[in-house]
Amino acid sequence: ETGVTQSPTHLIKTRGQQVTLRCSSQSGHNTVSWYQQALGQGPQFIFQYYREEENGRGNFPPRFSGLQFPNYSSELNVNALELDDSALYLCASSLVGGELFFGEGSRLTVL
Amino acid sequence: GIQVEQSPPDLILQEGANSTLRCNFSDSVNNLQWFHQNPWGQLINLFYIPSGTKQNGRLSATTVATERYSLLYISSSQTTDSGVYFCAVFRGQNFVFGPGTRLSVLP
Repeated sequence: ETGVTQSPTHLIKTRGQQVTLRCSSQSGHNTVSWYQQALGQGPQFIFQYYREEENGRGNFPPRFSGLQFPNYSSELNVNALELDDSALYLCASSLVGGELFFGEGSRLTVL
Repeated sequence: GIQVEQSPPDLILQEGANSTLRCNFSDSVNNLQWFHQNPWGQLINLFYIPSGTKQNGRLSATTVATERYSLLYISSSQTTDSGVYFCAVFRGQNFVFGPGTRLSVLP
């Protein structure tokens, strides 16, 4: 039990729709990172938020966006969904540069 | 960017056997973690080990940062050890994951 919770756990969308995934971080942590894991691959870094600001981004297009709230919880938004966006989306909380603690993930299927 | 390799990609063991998983990285790193991904997809923390050796029950890990590799040892493997093992290295602003080692422990 990491104390990191994600919702929803599973969801199905159609191409072109928009999705919002949510993450509540572990108590005492100030940084939230989001990762995308396609089937059979390792997690890929999407972006990271610290003190409500994005402070690192991987190789993902602008239609992937996020927010961090004053209580350090976070949202990942994906617009104009594509079939390749089907993946497990993982949220991790940490202190800056510290040990990552992951939630159980949100499994997105785009039809 | 930094490259992370893991070997072997797949490993099949009989229950009770020992194994060593390896993680190589292409540049100096500030931190390193080992994870076990269970069948439901959750990443379970095993070790946070930027350098040195740590042990936790049947598992131990060693990171030799100057030579850019880390090893995860699993002794007396059990069927519940099955899953994918990832190493992740921290450099700059974020952790970078390797492709994983898929371990299957047979009864």
